[in-house]
Amino acid sequence: SAVISQKPSRDICQRGTSLTIQCQVDSQVTMMFWYRQQPGQSLTLIATANQGSEATYESGFVIDKFPISRPNLTFSTLTVSNMSPEDSSIYLCSVAPGTAQETQYFGPGTRLLVL
Amino acid sequence: SQQGEEDPQALSIQEGENATMNCSYKTSINNLQWYRQNSGRGLVHLILIRSNEREKHSGRLRVTLDTSKKSSSLLITASRAADTASYFCATDAAGANSKLTFGKGITLSVRP
Repeated sequence: SAVISQKPSRDICQRGTSLTIQCQVDSQVTMMFWYRQQPGQSLTLIATANQGSEATYESGFVIDKFPISRPNLTFSTLTVSNMSPEDSSIYLCSVAPGTAQETQYFGPGTRLLVL
Repeated sequence: SQQGEEDPQALSIQEGENATMNCSYKTSINNLQWYRQNSGRGLVHLILIRSNEREKHSGRLRVTLDTSKKSSSLLITASRAADTASYFCATDAAGANSKLTFGKGITLSVRP
């Protein structure tokens, strides 16, 4: 399994500002993903973070709102841009480390509140 | 859209009892996974069952998969108060390149 850390663990932000969330893995992994979990809801995949190229976004999510970087195989960032209260959620990164790319391991999440 | 749909949405049992949670899905899958989440924290992977498997055990967990009915069940035996959490099934659809689609989740409360 992989050990994943996220920073910050939580934040309270003003609308119109941006927040960058970091995800660090203790080993090189092939696949990294970013999810959003709105209050009381399930997880929704935002994008797949691709090393060395642009992220692959799911329907309903765009790069201008959620720019993602992945400079190497152990690190990724997600920025939530021009935030509104509707962006208040838990943001989680996950990795699929194995060659079979089956089991995903999740970070502890970043709890974001936008006022 | 959600691929997996769990039922019941909420379950409350006494410590020591067994808890059974069900998940249904819509499309063909490579595998189905169950995760646990405590109080809005990160998800913990519990068990993975592949499409060619019918049953799998891990400690107090037993998972079954019926691909003809597109359904899975998670059984937790001899439940403990520490099992109180939300449980999600997630499907890795065939051809989806490892992308997981999560169900809405089941809230399990185990009363001491």
